[in-house]
Amino acid sequence: AQSVTQPDIHITVSEGASLELRCNYSYGATPYLFWYVQSPGQGLQLLLKYFSGDTLVQGIKGFEAEFKRSQSSFNLRKPSVHWSDAAEYFCAVGAPYGGSQGNLIFGKGTKLSVKP
Amino acid sequence: DSGVTQTPKHLITATGQRVTLRCSPRSGDLSVYWYQQSLDQGLQFLIQYYNGEERAKGNILERFSAQQFPDLHSELNLSSLELGDSALYFCASSVRGGQQGELFFGEGSRLTVL
Repeated sequence: AQSVTQPDIHITVSEGASLELRCNYSYGATPYLFWYVQSPGQGLQLLLKYFSGDTLVQGIKGFEAEFKRSQSSFNLRKPSVHWSDAAEYFCAVGAPYGGSQGNLIFGKGTKLSVKP
Repeated sequence: DSGVTQTPKHLITATGQRVTLRCSPRSGDLSVYWYQQSLDQGLQFLIQYYNGEERAKGNILERFSAQQFPDLHSELNLSSLELGDSALYFCASSVRGGQQGELFFGEGSRLTVL
C-alpha cells in the first residue's frame, strides 16, 4: 500500500540550530515527492518538490530536501532555523503520471517548535 | 494568501445535520481538490474535480458529495453528520490535473459536530 511515514511527531530545536525532518515513503514506483508547511490557522504551502534529476532539491525559505532512492526517503533540512519556522511540516507523495497528480498522500506531519 | 477562498471558516452543527462547504479556486485554476484533516486520520484526499467534471475519488464517504460549477467554484456537501466528521476540510486548486503537485490550499473550513 502507498504510504508516507514521518516518524517524528514533534521536534523542538533552538533558534539558529540545524534541522532535519524525516520522511519515508512506500510506493510502487518512484513518486513525485513534496514538502508542505502549515502555519497555525493557515492552509498548506508548498516548500519544495522532487520529480527527477538532481536528488538535492532547493525550496523556499532556505529549506532543502534530499531524495535517497535506496532508503525511500526524502528528508527536509535547514541549516539554521528561525523562530518563524515553527509550524507543522508535511511530507507527501503523488503519482508520477496520469491526470491525478494532485491526489497526494500525506504523512501525519511533524510539528516543529523553536526555542529562543 | 494562496488565492483559494473557503467559506465558512468555522461551522458548528449537530449530528444528523447537513452542511455545505464552499471553495473558490485561484483565478484560472481548473482543478479543485477536497481534503479532510483530522487528528486520527491526518490529511486525506477526498475528491477532485476538473473543469466541472469529477476526475478522481479518494476516501470520500457516501454521505459526502461534491460538485464544481461552471464558474469553477466548488461545494462539498456533508450529510447525516456524525461526531467523527469533525475535522478541518481543505480545498486546493491547480491549473490543470495536478500540475505535478503544485496545489494551492485554502485556509480550510473547521467543522465541529456536536
